[in-house]
Amino acid sequence: GAGVSQSPRYKVAKRGQDVALRCDPISGHVSLFWYQQALGQGPEFLTYFQNEAQLDKSGLPSDRFFAERPEGSVSTLKIQRTQQEDSAVYLCASSLARTASYEQYFGPGTRLTVT
Amino acid sequence: AQSVAQPEDQVNVAEGNPLTVKCTYSVSGNPYLFWYVQYPNRGLQFLLKYITGDNLVKGSYGFEAEFNKSQTSFHLKKPSALVSDSALYFCAVRDSYLGIGATNKLIFGTGTLLAVQP
Repeated sequence: GAGVSQSPRYKVAKRGQDVALRCDPISGHVSLFWYQQALGQGPEFLTYFQNEAQLDKSGLPSDRFFAERPEGSVSTLKIQRTQQEDSAVYLCASSLARTASYEQYFGPGTRLTVT
Repeated sequence: AQSVAQPEDQVNVAEGNPLTVKCTYSVSGNPYLFWYVQYPNRGLQFLLKYITGDNLVKGSYGFEAEFNKSQTSFHLKKPSALVSDSALYFCAVRDSYLGIGATNKLIFGTGTLLAVQP
């Protein structure tokens, strides 16, 4: 079956531009996560949805970052007024249920470069 | 606070030899532990997990991992390495607590680059 998909795969933005990154989770997966992976680092948690509810946004680095999942399926991560430090790979993951024992399945990521 | 440590930035092993990639963790409750592998320009692929039960868990591609509660470790192992195993490996932990204030997020280590020489 189809896995988690993300678009675009690559995005170059000039500093100050707004960007929107899309995630299509595995069909039927309740939980959706966004992570940020800087070069040479492990992924770091940004935010978590259970269906359409954003239950944890403690990892969002600033109020320029905003995520939504209005219908409980597709999610969008929006970054306003991009800065160079926002350059990273943004990973989306989905999981079948809220239960912590379920593994997360990751998409290929969106590589964002801010120039 | 939850944390994961992968003490080796890189592990080199000859093809056919056994491999070990080390991981230690810290959580306040009981840990749920995961290993993921990342190939260049691709997302993370799930390898295996420890939730409860047998301390030796088996996963994809012949990998296994041993949970050691006293040493708070979850080392990844494979009896015979392949060149195609060369990739970046991440250990991750999640607290099993699901009460008030709990989060489902994974905490990742910094990754270990596995290089298997032919």
